[in-house]
Amino acid sequence: ETGVTQTPRHLVMGMTNKKSLKCEQHLGHNAMYWYKQSAKKPLELMFVYSLEERVENNSVPSRFSPECPNSSHLFLHLHTLQPEDSALYLCASSQAHLNTEAFFGQGTRLTVV
Amino acid sequence: EDQVTQSPEALRLQEGESSSLNCSYTVSGLRGLFWYRQDPGKGPEFLFTLYSAGEEKEKERLKATLTKKESFLHITAPKPEDSATYLCAVQAFRGGGADGLTFGKGTHLIIQP
Repeated sequence: ETGVTQTPRHLVMGMTNKKSLKCEQHLGHNAMYWYKQSAKKPLELMFVYSLEERVENNSVPSRFSPECPNSSHLFLHLHTLQPEDSALYLCASSQAHLNTEAFFGQGTRLTVV
Repeated sequence: EDQVTQSPEALRLQEGESSSLNCSYTVSGLRGLFWYRQDPGKGPEFLFTLYSAGEEKEKERLKATLTKKESFLHITAPKPEDSATYLCAVQAFRGGGADGLTFGKGTHLIIQP
C-alpha cells in the first residue's frame, strides 16, 4: 500500500464518452500530480496542484480536465478522447516546498476505442 | 529544458552478476535526483533521492551515486526479484516548491536464475 489510491484500475471508453479518474492520498501531502505513461515513452507530467491550486499545465489538450477539491483528492475528467490517449495514468503526491520524493498510485490503465 | 537519458534501455543478467545502470541528466539547478522501481502494470515505487554530487545511498543490493552530470544505480549480486524497470527522474529548482519530475525512459532489467 503506497498511500496513494487510484480508481478505477482499468477503464475502457469510447471516443464520445465522458469519464473521470479518481486519486486519493492518505499521506498528509499538499501537492498532487497527474502523469501519463505511454509505451516506449518516459512519464510525462500533465498537471500539478499545490495547496489545491493548479500551478502547472504542460500543454495538455482541453479534453483532459483536472479538479482538486481538497489536498487529499484529485480527479481527471475525460471527454471526447482519442485512441492515442490510451495509456497508464498515474497520480502522485508529495510535500511541496520540501525536498521530498513523490509517491505514486498504481495507475489507471485507460483504453480508448 | 530538463533532460534525462538512461542507458542501457534493457539489460539481462544472470543471478549474482553485478552491474550498473546509468542516468545522464541536464537540468537548470538540480533540486533532487530520484530513482524509482516499476513493476509491470504498477506505479513507480520510490527507491532513493540524491541531492548533491558525491552523495551515495544504499538499500539492500542497490547503491545509488551522483555526480554533476550523471547518476549510477549499482546492483550487487542481483536476484530474480530485482527484475523490473528502473526509472531515473530529476526535479529542478523553479521556486514553486511543487515541481513535477522529468523522467527518463527507464532501464528494463531482467535477472535470470
